[in-house]
Amino acid sequence: DIQMTQSPSSLSASVGDRVTITCRASQSISSYLNWYQQKPGKAPKLLIYAASSLQSGVPSRFSGSGSGTDFTLTISSLQPEDFASYYCQQSYGTPFTFGPGTKVDIK
Amino acid sequence: EVQLVQSGAEVKKPGESLRISCKGSGYSFSSYWINWVRQMPGKGLEWMGRMDPSDSYTNYSPSFQGHVTISADKSFNTAYLQWSSLKASDTAMYYCTRQAVAGSNHYNMDVWGKGTTVTVSS
Repeated sequence: DIQMTQSPSSLSASVGDRVTITCRASQSISSYLNWYQQKPGKAPKLLIYAASSLQSGVPSRFSGSGSGTDFTLTISSLQPEDFASYYCQQSYGTPFTFGPGTKVDIK
Repeated sequence: EVQLVQSGAEVKKPGESLRISCKGSGYSFSSYWINWVRQMPGKGLEWMGRMDPSDSYTNYSPSFQGHVTISADKSFNTAYLQWSSLKASDTAMYYCTRQAVAGSNHYNMDVWGKGTTVTVSS
């Protein structure tokens, strides 16, 4: 199985901050990497697919980059509605695997 | 509107059987694989497996193979996740998701159900 790690596991930030979350795969997965946002008590929501493609309807302050084993999710200017947990997920091969998540909360 | 509507919360005893459902609407149900994802209380997301509703081909995570069964009835646009003998460790939220594909087989889960809470307790 491909193992996914994320860092940090949690972070505290203020509205307007630039936030970067890192995801690393245990082997090269090309650009087969997706990012999801989950708010408490809600289902996850797709933000970024194929490492850098913005899902329809997702604000442009979200962006993704990377290929191979190292990926990043960037929120250019954190908004109040962005406080949530973020998960990366590889779709290079089954079993699909998720990272452990990064919780973004208010400083 | 494209949506996946999941069945309601369940409370079961260890050893009991259970089937939960996920009904798709607003799109061609047979054209998109359905995935199931588990989230244990306070934990992260785990991919359980997926099914192609057009031919019922299934693909399980080794972690769940043999413990759950994924099925679908395309005439009812509904997918199912079932257990024959529940354990307390099956207590979790279960999400069904629609699997979209972009470009060169870039699969992603673009639509999620709201989740079904399963509680297994004696």
